[in-house]
Amino acid sequence: SQQGEEDPQALSIQEGENATMNCSYKTSINNLQWYRQNSGRGLVHLILIRSNEREKHSGRLRVTLDTSKKSSSLLITASRAADTASYFCASLWGRRALTFGSGTRLQVQP
Amino acid sequence: DAGVTQSPTHLIKTRGQQVTLRCSPKSGHDTVSWYQQALGQGPQFIFQYYEEEERQRGNFPDRFSGHQFPNYSSELNVNALLLGDSALYLCASSLGHNPGNTMYFGEGSWLTVV
Repeated sequence: SQQGEEDPQALSIQEGENATMNCSYKTSINNLQWYRQNSGRGLVHLILIRSNEREKHSGRLRVTLDTSKKSSSLLITASRAADTASYFCASLWGRRALTFGSGTRLQVQP
Repeated sequence: DAGVTQSPTHLIKTRGQQVTLRCSPKSGHDTVSWYQQALGQGPQFIFQYYEEEERQRGNFPDRFSGHQFPNYSSELNVNALLLGDSALYLCASSLGHNPGNTMYFGEGSWLTVV
């Protein structure tokens, strides 16, 4: 079963707008990761946030983590059509496996 | 520097047949994990190999088996294929099995069972 669940399942915005995706997880984590997947392709690692961090930035990406609520959010600022993809949060299960949610499908309209 | 490579990219098999999928990890990586991703779902962990041994296994039946070779490449075998095995199979590699290490994914192998 999947530990993380993203919300919303689908999001459609205009180019230039910000996109926010949320992730909830069930058990304690050491870190939480966000991945991107273009349609039918492999996953690309975007950012990792550790359990002792509350916020992290990477370019146009901003990730927050609230361990008390077992939730994280991914913000993409000034979105571009090329940001159209599915976004997944993932956390460790056991010592070695990543467990993914079902993803948020982001559509950025040019 | 080659990333993670998987083969074949697409294949069609008949129910009951067996399939072997292959993965070459990113240069310098020694750990390989396999994931199954059904259409519209997130990837599900199958198993991970490190030092040629299966280190952790997900909730998949014994029909799913794997192997890691001395050069760190890996194979995923699925026996007695079911229609429900149709999915994108993703291989991910990392350096060591530290939980914090970033995983790099290949483009996947699309398996269709008819």
